[in-house]
Amino acid sequence: NAGVTQTPKFRILKIGQSMTLQCTQDMNHNYMYWYRQDPGMGLKLIYYSVGAGITDKGEVPNGYNVSRSTTEDFPLRLELAAPSQTSVYFCASEGQELNQPQHFGDGTRLSIL
Amino acid sequence: AQSVAQPEDQVNVAEGNPLTVKCTYSVSGNPYLFWYVQYPNRGLQFLLKYITGDNLVKGSYGFEAEFNKSQTSFHLKKPSALVSDSALYFCAVRDLGSNDYKLSFGAGTTVTVRA
Repeated sequence: NAGVTQTPKFRILKIGQSMTLQCTQDMNHNYMYWYRQDPGMGLKLIYYSVGAGITDKGEVPNGYNVSRSTTEDFPLRLELAAPSQTSVYFCASEGQELNQPQHFGDGTRLSIL
Repeated sequence: AQSVAQPEDQVNVAEGNPLTVKCTYSVSGNPYLFWYVQYPNRGLQFLLKYITGDNLVKGSYGFEAEFNKSQTSFHLKKPSALVSDSALYFCAVRDLGSNDYKLSFGAGTTVTVRA
């Protein structure tokens, strides 16, 4: 059982480039999340989804976009990369029972130079 | 809105000594509380949770946590720390009194256990 899988693990981008961070889960979870982790700042929610076709903004959505065409996949897109987007990005999923923990991928480490 | 505070950025203990990582929270209703651990270059891994019932909850790797409603705290404890417990620890809360069901995370506490 793979859980939550994120690709790529590492990436270096130039300012202004675009890319998509991939996230897929095999647990049939409805809820999926994208977080960014910056040193000493904990996790900040970027976007989330409660099911296929439904997405909404979190705390820090500017500069990002998401889509959710299937239950399994929840890609995160950076359209015009900026140095402030240098971070570690985590995807997480959970079922509809809110007393259960979220499951996390191993992250994508992104540097914008 | 719910919030979580982890008042210590770092905790340093000797192997074999007790380990405590502090967490306090603020919610409008009843909380669901979670502890996660993060090892280098890995995602967050679930350790334990408080939903209801006994205030002392036990989790993975010998960790436990005590829910204290009057002090709005959920401190993580381990009676005898191991070097392998060195990691980053996150407390998280979900506020059942809010229509916002999303988790709020603390800033994290780095634990270093010296041999």
